[in-house]
Amino acid sequence: GENVEQHPSTLSVQEGDSAVIKCTYSDSASNYFPWYKQELGKGPQLIIDIRSNVGEKKDQRIAVTLNKTAKHFSLHITETQPEDSAVYFCAAMKTSYDKVIFGPGTSLSVIP
Amino acid sequence: DAGVTQSPTHLIKTRGQQVTLRCSPKSGHDTVSWYQQALGQGPQFIFQYYEEEERQRGNFPDRFSGHQFPNYSSELNVNALLLGDSALYLCASSGDSQETQYFGPGTRLLVL
Repeated sequence: GENVEQHPSTLSVQEGDSAVIKCTYSDSASNYFPWYKQELGKGPQLIIDIRSNVGEKKDQRIAVTLNKTAKHFSLHITETQPEDSAVYFCAAMKTSYDKVIFGPGTSLSVIP
Repeated sequence: DAGVTQSPTHLIKTRGQQVTLRCSPKSGHDTVSWYQQALGQGPQFIFQYYEEEERQRGNFPDRFSGHQFPNYSSELNVNALLLGDSALYLCASSGDSQETQYFGPGTRLLVL
């Protein structure tokens, strides 16, 4: 069935360092890959997304890469700040009206 | 522009009871999806409503039902509550054939 795996489950970095979260997906029909950040007591907030016809996308300190052949995609956060501390979810979708399949999440802690 | 809103924010019920959760989508969005997020896990898709009809359903029992109103707002109903139904229930909206789903803050349900 459809599945998204995510590693690591927890990640601790020093402020200013980079953080990398890696995901794999099982359904080759997946075409859209959003990343969500969830802070304590809040709903997931979209931070960046990438579509299958693009290999890389960057937005300020955040970048995502996609390898459709290997079914891998990654989130890179540079110059981390304490406010980046949260749970990050990778996800995959097949079509514009499809359900979102979430990974299990990565708890990121940025140590000042 | 208001985002996705949900009510109530918190709810405590006992086993066997029934509960109704409410969601108002982001302005301009016509599709509402519901997710269940257990503690420490990624959200799991329950179902999606479009044009007042259930368009897709995840692997949840019939105790979970929903409704969408002409103004696109939606309700999630859960009957015969079990302890395992304790979770954060998230509503997400999307529209204009766009993949991106925007999440509300969630309703935290505790079943005792």
